[in-house]
Amino acid sequence: GENVEQHPSTLSVQEGDSAVIKCTYSDSASNYFPWYKQELGKRPQLIIDIRSNVGEKKDQRIAVTLNKTAKHFSLHITETQPEDSAVYFCAASPSGGYQKVTFGTGTKLQVIP
Amino acid sequence: DTGVSQDPRHKITKRGQNVTFRCDPISEHNRLYWYRQTLGQGPEFLTYFQNEAQLEKSRLLSDRFSAERPKGSFSTLEIQRTEQGDSAMYLCASSLDGLPTDTQYFGPGTRLTVL
Repeated sequence: GENVEQHPSTLSVQEGDSAVIKCTYSDSASNYFPWYKQELGKRPQLIIDIRSNVGEKKDQRIAVTLNKTAKHFSLHITETQPEDSAVYFCAASPSGGYQKVTFGTGTKLQVIP
Repeated sequence: DTGVSQDPRHKITKRGQNVTFRCDPISEHNRLYWYRQTLGQGPEFLTYFQNEAQLEKSRLLSDRFSAERPKGSFSTLEIQRTEQGDSAMYLCASSLDGLPTDTQYFGPGTRLTVL
């Protein structure tokens, strides 16, 4: 089955700096890669996703890159703000997300004002 | 609130008791998923339904776990003879067929504590 590894497990940045979270996946059939943000005690919320036919996707301060050959993908947050502090999960799915989604172990991001 | 809802939000039970959780998906969504999340980990897939059909079950879903979606709308997850290792957040998600990719929208979860 799919295995998703995520690094780092914790990340502290100064407000205004950039944050990068990296993930690798094992199943070459995976074709959909969502990223979720989970604040303490709250539900995971989708912040951005990317399909395997796209190498990069950007939405305001958030961008995701995908390298299918190397089986890794990354989340980039620019101009970080205190409200970006949360746990971020990467995930992978072999069926466009229509079936099982395998999550990474999470990155706890702390943005220091 | 038109999002995914789950009930109860918290459940404390004694080991050996049975518990049942309910999930109401977003109204037009035909796919429904159950995940389990333990502290410091990402959600782990348990099972999913397309309409009323249960199409996949994880090996994590032992014989003590059963999920149903009898009318293709709400779903229930039952755990029989609970064990302390069942303590976790149980998350439900739903999605809609027909789109290029399947954005799964999560509910607030049911936190289970087994004493």
